[in-house]
Amino acid sequence: EIVLTQSPATLSLSPGERATLSCRASQSVGSKLAWYQQKPGQAPWLLIYDASNRATGVPARFSGSGSGTDFTLSISSLEPEDFAVYYCQQRSNWPLTFGGGTKVDIK
Amino acid sequence: QMQLVQSGSELQRPGASVKISCKPSGYIFTNYAMNWVRQAPGQGPEWMGWIHTDSGNPTYGPGFTGRFVFSLDPVPFTAHLQISGLEADDTAVYYCARGGIGSGGFYALDVWGQGTTVTVSS
Repeated sequence: EIVLTQSPATLSLSPGERATLSCRASQSVGSKLAWYQQKPGQAPWLLIYDASNRATGVPARFSGSGSGTDFTLSISSLEPEDFAVYYCQQRSNWPLTFGGGTKVDIK
Repeated sequence: QMQLVQSGSELQRPGASVKISCKPSGYIFTNYAMNWVRQAPGQGPEWMGWIHTDSGNPTYGPGFTGRFVFSLDPVPFTAHLQISGLEADDTAVYYCARGGIGSGGFYALDVWGQGTTVTVSS
């Protein structure tokens, strides 16, 4: 199975700052990588699919890039509602797998 | 508005069974696969598998064979997850999620239920 390693585990930033989150796959997933945001007590919410496509309703400050084994989720200017945990997920190979998550918290 | 509404929290004894329901609305149910995802306390999501909503054919992920069963009721359309022989390690939030992007079991999950908390304790 493909292992997704996210870094850093925790990112402490202030509102208005730029966030850069990394997801590395143990083997190539092409562009079949998604990003989700999860807040406490809520279900994950799809942000980005196929590496760089924003899902419906996702603000333009969220962007994804990368291919193969290295991917990045960027948040251009953090809003208060963006402080949450972010997970990557691959759909290239069975079984689907998720990364361990990056928590973005307030500095 | 597309949504998935799940059944309520469950507290069960070890060895018991539980059946969680997931009712979709706002889209054509048979056009999209239904996935199940487990999230243990303090952990990331873990994909359990999916069920083809047209044929009813399930596919189980590693570690989710034997005690886990995905099923469908056609009218009203409802997806179910049944877990038998509950163990303490089954304590988790269980989500149903629509396989909205992709095909053949390889999906990004674009609509999620609110989650059902299952607690296994004696």
